[in-house]
Amino acid sequence: GESVGLHLPTLSVQEGDNSIINCAYSNSASDYFIWYKQESGKGPQFIIDIRSNMDKRQGQRVTVLLNKTVKHLSLQIAATQPGDSAVYFCAEKPSNYQLIWGAGTKLIIKP
Amino acid sequence: EAGVAQSPRYKIIEKRQSVAFWCNPISGHATLYWYQQILGQGPKLLIQFQNNGVVDDSQLPKDRFSAERLKGVDSTLKIQPAKLEDSAVYLCASSFGRAGQAFFGQGTRLTVV
Repeated sequence: GESVGLHLPTLSVQEGDNSIINCAYSNSASDYFIWYKQESGKGPQFIIDIRSNMDKRQGQRVTVLLNKTVKHLSLQIAATQPGDSAVYFCAEKPSNYQLIWGAGTKLIIKP
Repeated sequence: EAGVAQSPRYKIIEKRQSVAFWCNPISGHATLYWYQQILGQGPKLLIQFQNNGVVDDSQLPKDRFSAERLKGVDSTLKIQPAKLEDSAVYLCASSFGRAGQAFFGQGTRLTVV
């Protein structure tokens, strides 16, 4: 079936650098996308979302970019901090359907 | 505001035994979700409630899993009998509406031996 996938299962970034986490989606009917952060032993935490009528959305230190042409989603984290260490999930939501989650990317921050 | 509460945090049972998990959503949230998360994977929706009615249970293994939300607030998820492959983290989440942002509890880590 259609699913959300990630290019890199693990990403190591130097503290203070910017992080970019990528995600590919395959369902062209998806019109809503979310990024979640999950720290060890905790439930997923909402970071940022974007609707299909937008290309970019910014939050505090995070930016989500959506490229519908190639069905690609990315999460950019500025000035990565140790507290950003977690598994990041992208999820897509086709209209009138449930959220479809990807497998996650583990972000490791190097001191 | 208080978050989504789940209990227990951890549970170890033998296969073929039964187990139940409890969830108390954020006050006022009409939508409640139960997810299963196997290590290294994204959460998989088991069941979604809107108040005390089931919206989606298409991925719930109904021969062994059951869930209820009798008064439209708290919910319980039961597994009977458990299998080894049921070992996972069971996450409860709630949202104000069906399309709203979901808030997750810390989950219950189940180990079936």
